[in-house]
Amino acid sequence: SQTIHQWPATLVQPVGSPLSLECTVEGTSNPNLYWYRQAAGRGLQLLFYSVGIGQISSEVPQNLSASRPQDRQFILSSKKLLLSDSGFYLCAWSRVAEQFFGPGTRLTVL
Amino acid sequence: GENVEQHPSTLSVQEGDSAVIKCTYSDSASNYFPWYKQELGKRPQLIIDIRSNVGEKKDQRIAVTLNKTAKHFSLHITETQPEDSAVYFCAANNFGNEKLTFGTGTRLTIIP
Repeated sequence: SQTIHQWPATLVQPVGSPLSLECTVEGTSNPNLYWYRQAAGRGLQLLFYSVGIGQISSEVPQNLSASRPQDRQFILSSKKLLLSDSGFYLCAWSRVAEQFFGPGTRLTVL
Repeated sequence: GENVEQHPSTLSVQEGDSAVIKCTYSDSASNYFPWYKQELGKRPQLIIDIRSNVGEKKDQRIAVTLNKTAKHFSLHITETQPEDSAVYFCAANNFGNEKLTFGTGTRLTIIP
């Protein structure tokens, strides 16, 4: 069966510091991969998605970037965090149409 | 692109009663409609989905109906229980598109 991992689970970072969040998927090959952000009490904002290694589509211009160095690995990065980057970051993978979410990383920027 | 609207944004229901959440979509090519449940602090979980070749699908106490002509679909929860309290998101997609378009969510509270 398929499993999706995210780490770290929680993170507290100062404004202006860098960020690296990692997501890996097991049990499937060539998945579509997604990064979402959810502000407290809000909906799901799609940040990036990828249909293959090195292929990244950006949905919202911002100070974040994404990379897919391996088939089942998706990384979200920032060079300098802003206060507004705080939120719950969710990685997801899809097979045909069904989309499944990882456990998430709760990021607090102080 | 696709646009999904979801109503109501909040819903309080007495335990044992039924709850209905409605979504409308704009792209007539959409053919896949999932529903997610997100408990506080947790990830969204896929609870039921429907494809455009059927009008209704049921799984125990939850059911989803789809009206392709009117471009709307609904989630029905019967005999609600306290553990049904959560935020529910609808979404729409067509199989040729990599992205799901989500509704803005409904916070459902079950009153004991």
